[in-house]
Amino acid sequence: GAGVSQSPSNKVTEKGKDVELRCDPISGHTALYWYRQSLGQGLEFLIYFQGNSAPDKSGLPSDRFSAERTGGSVSTLTIQRTQQEDSAVYLCASSLARGSNYGYTFGSGTRLTVV
Amino acid sequence: GQQVMQIPQYQHVQEGEDFTTYCNSSTTLSNIQWYKQRPGGHPVFLIQLVKSGEVKKQKRLTFQFGEAKKNSSLHITATQTTDVGTYFCAEFNFNKFYFGSGTKLNVKP
Repeated sequence: GAGVSQSPSNKVTEKGKDVELRCDPISGHTALYWYRQSLGQGLEFLIYFQGNSAPDKSGLPSDRFSAERTGGSVSTLTIQRTQQEDSAVYLCASSLARGSNYGYTFGSGTRLTVV
Repeated sequence: GQQVMQIPQYQHVQEGEDFTTYCNSSTTLSNIQWYKQRPGGHPVFLIQLVKSGEVKKQKRLTFQFGEAKKNSSLHITATQTTDVGTYFCAEFNFNKFYFGSGTKLNVKP
């Protein structure tokens, strides 16, 4: 597509429920990243996918968080047993390839509120 | 992990005044990128700096990479209300970019 698409744009969930956030990167972009941004804060790296390589999960805050990327395109970030501290905007970004020479294109994010 | 520090955290200026935000790292950076996030929006890529001492301009925005590649700055000349937002620098490490904490710019008309 023309840009990075994320859904849903807003999600309100009860504490303890599982949620799935979806990211559809720009067609042809092989690298995909998930970041989290709490209110008024910076961007916290979560996970990174590059082609068919094993993902870099080093930023996931706990084992309640997982992500997959099917067919090298769409990615889903799953948060199990949500907690209130999980409330944040979850941003997905894609870039043309791995490496430092490519800027990221971000989606509009999913605003997650855990009540 | 993240090593780049960004200052100031907030900056309030009168429209027409200049603005500068700085990023500093304790290590030598391979490159640095700058992003702008409008209120309620998502970060948008502005520019990338790679070479020591590099200076790039985009209209009223001037980006600079330090000679030692340990710091960078973004300078806006004669700010406008459309410049409002948070400006992030990002350093490349372990195959991904780590973002600074950002400088939030408010421009009073």
